[in-house]
Parts: sequence; C-alpha cells; structure tokens
Amino acid sequence: NAGVTQTPKFRILKIGQSMTLQCAQDMNHNYMYWYRQDPGMGLKLIYYSVGAGITDKGEVPNGYNVSRSTTEDFPLRLELAAPSQTSVYFCASSHEGFPSSYNEQFFGPGTRLTVL
Amino acid sequence: RKEVEQDPGPFNVPEGATVAFNCTYSNSASQSFFWYRQDCRKEPKLLMSVYSSGNEDGRFTAQLNRASQYISLLIRDSKLSDSATYLCVVIPTPPRNQFYFGTGTSLTVIP
Repeated sequence: NAGVTQTPKFRILKIGQSMTLQCAQDMNHNYMYWYRQDPGMGLKLIYYSVGAGITDKGEVPNGYNVSRSTTEDFPLRLELAAPSQTSVYFCASSHEGFPSSYNEQFFGPGTRLTVL
Repeated sequence: RKEVEQDPGPFNVPEGATVAFNCTYSNSASQSFFWYRQDCRKEPKLLMSVYSSGNEDGRFTAQLNRASQYISLLIRDSKLSDSATYLCVVIPTPPRNQFYFGTGTSLTVIP
C-alpha cells in the first residue's frame, strides 16, 4: 500500500492564481482531512470528509474548496491565492471517526506552498 | 481559549535523561487523546494513544488526568533519535469528527 499520497511536493504561486492540491489514499478509509501547518504552529483543519459526497468545514476553510467524488481522492482547491495561504498542507485519512480511542490518522508527506 | 495547549519548549536534554511534556485541553467531555511525533519537515505520525488508566510503550509512558484536564508524555533514557516535535491531539465528544492538534513541544536530545 502506498498509504496517503500528495502531489505536488512543492509549488510557488503568484497572488491571484489558482491550483488544486491532490490527495489520494489506498487504505479504503472513509474519513479524510486537509490541514495546514504554519511555521511553529500546530495543524489547523481546513476541511474534512466522512465519505464520498460528504464534506464539511473545519477551523480555517476560507479561501479553499474541496470535493470527494470517490473514497480514494480528496482534492483541495485554492482559488485566488493570497500570501496568507503560504503554508505546508497535509492530507490525512482514518478508518473511522469512532470509536476514536483506537483511531489513527495517517498523513501524506505534505505540499509546501509559497504564494508570492 | 484554545482546545489544546502545549509548552512549545524547546527542551534540550542530554542522552539518557528523562523528560516529560504536558498538554492541557479545554473541553472536559473530550474522549480521546493521542501523542503524535513530527520530525523536521516531515508529516506527523502516531506515537501512542492515551488511555484512561495510562499506558506504556517501551521507554514512553502516557497518562491522562481528567480532573485537571491534561495529558502527559514521559520519555525515559532519551536517545538522540527521540529528537522531534511531539504533538498532543484531542478529539472532542461525538458527533464531532475533528482532531485538535496542539502546537507541539520541541525536544532535542544532546550527545
């Protein structure tokens, strides 16, 4: 199993450009998540999905959109990139939300995005 | 108030030392707790879950104190390879499916 894969690994955008960060998992996990991590900060949840066709906002959803047409894929769309979106983006998946005592989130390697 | 708070450190300890980190959480009804490890410029990985009765995995011991709303991680006999950032993670009560991450505590083990 490849686990959680993310592309691209690095990207530089100009202000106002758009892009899609790709995320895929091959573990048949229902739950998928997008986080951003700013330097010296914890992970902040952008969006999450509990299954194909179902998405919900996290803590910092503004400026982003997601879709979940299949169990495997959960792309994150940035429209009109801004310097405040410079960050490292991590995608994660987990088998189920609960019983969460035995749950584990598996993370992709991250996408390092710079907006200039 | 933040859901999860951690002392960012850094903690610089010599090899063989014992070091402990605490993490406080704000939601008294939170049910699930974890410690994740994140190496520099890498993704977080699960270190261990934290059970109500406390649990141990080799040199690592995790404990939960519900009365004071904190969890702790104890590392005994520190190794150079333990150098990393340790993230505290809390899941609030159902039906919320969100994991709340602390900002992390930086540990450097010195030869």
